[in-house]
Amino acid sequence: DAKTTQPPSMDCAEGRAANLPCNHSTISGNEYVYWYRQIHSQGPQYIIHGLKNNETNEMASLIITEDRKSSTLILPHATLRDTAVYYCIVRVGRGRGGSQGNLIFGKGTKLSVKP
Amino acid sequence: DADVTQTPRNRITKTGKRIMLECSQTKGHDRMYWYRQDPGLGLRLIYYSFDVKDINKGEISDGYSVSRQAQAKFSLSLESAIPNQTALYFCATSDPPGAFGAFFGQGTRLTVV
Repeated sequence: DAKTTQPPSMDCAEGRAANLPCNHSTISGNEYVYWYRQIHSQGPQYIIHGLKNNETNEMASLIITEDRKSSTLILPHATLRDTAVYYCIVRVGRGRGGSQGNLIFGKGTKLSVKP
Repeated sequence: DADVTQTPRNRITKTGKRIMLECSQTKGHDRMYWYRQDPGLGLRLIYYSFDVKDINKGEISDGYSVSRQAQAKFSLSLESAIPNQTALYFCATSDPPGAFGAFFGQGTRLTVV
């Protein structure tokens, strides 16, 4: 699975949009981009995923560049409860054996939402 | 009831003791994972299983073993616990990639003294 690069930390003002970038320049055609977040020491929570089209759900929007080498997670109106570590992961879309389809986490981005 | 349940939630054990952490899920997923998390670090994959007969080592499997007793149960064992295995351990389950994301348990905080 391709590796990802994220900034270690970001700040955002409450009520503003939080834009979290992720680089995945070695992504291959069958790899999805997934985002998770971890609040304090709780289990990570799935946010959103996409292959090549932009995606939106009730939690966030995911913008994937046309060349798929980077993506941005957007929290449109950040709240204090969005303070967490956000992980960007790329993951093979098929395959069962070996490491295909593994969930490999990096260190993520620590987002601090400030009043 | 939680989709992914880990037991125990907290455990203190002595160096050299054998300990088992258990994970059960009600999602019906084939794929299950064990991770450890150390303070200030991300999650590191210990073992993963894509079905009952398919178990694989992850990034940091030394000192650990696993057992997939059934589709819904995946246990992690420390055969002889050592202090640097003190960490927060998470179990997760998922569908194949492309479907919904993974579901994580609430974690087991293990302290080896």
